[in-house]
Amino acid sequence: EAQVTQNPRYLITVTGKKLTVTCSQNMNHEYMSWYRQDPGLGLRQIYYSMNVEVTDKGDVPEGYKVSRKEKRNFPLILESPSPNQTSLYFCASSLYGGLLEQYFGPGTRLTVT
Amino acid sequence: KQEVTQIPAALSVPEGENLVLNCSFTDSAIYNLQWFRQDPGKGLTSLLLIQSSQREQTSGRLNASLDKSSGRSTLYIAASQPGDSATYLCAVRNTGKLIFGQGTTLQVKP
Repeated sequence: EAQVTQNPRYLITVTGKKLTVTCSQNMNHEYMSWYRQDPGLGLRQIYYSMNVEVTDKGDVPEGYKVSRKEKRNFPLILESPSPNQTSLYFCASSLYGGLLEQYFGPGTRLTVT
Repeated sequence: KQEVTQIPAALSVPEGENLVLNCSFTDSAIYNLQWFRQDPGKGLTSLLLIQSSQREQTSGRLNASLDKSSGRSTLYIAASQPGDSATYLCAVRNTGKLIFGQGTTLQVKP
């Protein structure tokens, strides 16, 4: 089944403890992206990747890192999480540099205390 | 900077009614526009994608139109059903970025 998977689905952590949220897709998509969703602010793009080893900042990249060493994986790294990074995170992927439909993962709910 | 606005923020209609959701954007230099559905606590499901060169797309009871010059898109839902209750989001693609509107939360009452 074609899908985007994220792990973990739920995470509660403490301020400053490094964490990684994994994202994987099995559709051979070049384009992958991370978003966060917050009440009243909607969905905002954190980082995106047009292909392997090519990443770029979205609208809210501060406090996040990404890497794209393989086509199928695009992990989101929070080196020193803070409470303002408490949010619902979505990973998405698409063909042809993102010019076709974006397929979203199920989301990761992160709470930083 | 691209801004995407969706009006209304919330909508409640009786079952069977036809309805229109609106999406407007400030920068007409877009590659495409995509409509999504989001159920509470769930991820996003793609409904329709309109490329910048297209005027409309249809899927079942859904029809989306795009007027790039005026910076507007509409999502038309025919014969609404309670199962259509969800939040509907539009998003425009500029270069590598996808910019979302805040969404319209639709409730269809039986």
